[in-house]
Amino acid sequence: EVQLVASGGGFLQPGRSLRLSCTGYGFTFGDYPMTWVRQAPGKGLEWLGFIRTKAYGGTTEYAASVKGRFTISRDDSKSIAYLQMSSLKIEDTAVYYCSRGSGDYWGQGTLVTVSS
Amino acid sequence: EIVLTQSPATLSLSPGERATLSCRASQSVSRYLAWYQQKPGQAPRLLIYDASNRAPGIPARFSGSGSGTDFTLTISSLEPEDFAVYYCQQRSNWPRTFGQGTKLEIK
Repeated sequence: EVQLVASGGGFLQPGRSLRLSCTGYGFTFGDYPMTWVRQAPGKGLEWLGFIRTKAYGGTTEYAASVKGRFTISRDDSKSIAYLQMSSLKIEDTAVYYCSRGSGDYWGQGTLVTVSS
Repeated sequence: EIVLTQSPATLSLSPGERATLSCRASQSVSRYLAWYQQKPGQAPRLLIYDASNRAPGIPARFSGSGSGTDFTLTISSLEPEDFAVYYCQQRSNWPRTFGQGTKLEIK
């Protein structure tokens, strides 16, 4: 059974950094690109970024709102995709989801709360 | 960045009725448009990809149509479990973008 498990969320102050993980189970992780999406409380979905497979260079794409602050990477040996977030702002408070590239499977989300 | 505008923001219907949700893109996305359903406290669920292809396991009452800038998600006969928020997403250009969502509520 395909499953994605997002982890690493928490409560932290503005300006701090945090790394989220998305672990894949039940499929060959390295064969799929991965996507990160977030949802602020009571708001809609915001696409954050994408990482291609190693076969396509493992390159990344980002939303303008997070480019330069957020970095997506992957470790296919561990079946994990990462979202490294730096200089966090209060407006980064959201549930962060990972999904398999085409959006067919999603993790359950992990909550990040940024507050002073 | 491509802006997706969904309408209406809220749609109030009864079970058994037909629902028609709209998504308009600020520029052509060809047929690279997907639809998602999201229920409270859950992750989004892929319903439709490439404008009209149902994802595996999605009931036949869900259908998608359109190309270019205008797209429609139709639910032919609403079941109680269909009341949720629906999002469109374009997969034509980077960055990928979502519409703001349509809330389908029970009348």
